[in-house]
Amino acid sequence: DTEVTQTPKHLVMGMTNKKSLKCEQHMGHRAMYWYKQKAKKPPELMFVYSYEKLSINESVPSRFSPECPNSSLLNLHLHALQPEDSALYLCASSQDFGLSEQFFGPGTRLTVL
Amino acid sequence: AQRVTQPEKLLSVFKGAPVELKCNYSYSGSPELFWYVQYSRQRLQLLLRHISRESIKGFTADLNKGETSFHLKKPFAQEEDSAMYYCALSTYNQGGKLIFGQGTELSVKP
Repeated sequence: DTEVTQTPKHLVMGMTNKKSLKCEQHMGHRAMYWYKQKAKKPPELMFVYSYEKLSINESVPSRFSPECPNSSLLNLHLHALQPEDSALYLCASSQDFGLSEQFFGPGTRLTVL
Repeated sequence: AQRVTQPEKLLSVFKGAPVELKCNYSYSGSPELFWYVQYSRQRLQLLLRHISRESIKGFTADLNKGETSFHLKKPFAQEEDSAMYYCALSTYNQGGKLIFGQGTELSVKP
């Protein structure tokens, strides 16, 4: 399996809801990433996990909470989001946390009402 | 500070015409440079990285350290090349964090 998968594909939630995004890879990669992407803009890095430990948090608001249960899985827990958080959330993985190529998932399209 | 500049937001060419997407970077050390492509409704994927020196889908990119540029070129554009192209920089001292340019939307007309 040489792909990064993400579920769900689409998510609509209210500002008081709690939801989670899921990302999975079975390429044996040790680094995993969450990005946020607005329409026709580049991805913005949110979090990096290396060997299941949080390595980078790009000053993301606490209403986004990442979790890496094991080396293949990455979750993003969402709570009390704002409409401006509506975006495409991308997961990526790379062989290690360094200069190696990042492989991106298809993204979850999130709409916050 | 590290920065990637893609001066053209939109580039429109006719099929069969040469295309060049510009990318300039700002970094004092030795960067790792990439071109990523995002076709409509598809995932972001790596097109080229400078260390591999490959030609993918007819595209090439040469790192010019003197001009701090990594322009993407193709001699004959095809309609299926229409997509969003992002130049990205990765530096070891930031742990391989990718710094993206703002992107250039390439439109190839028939």
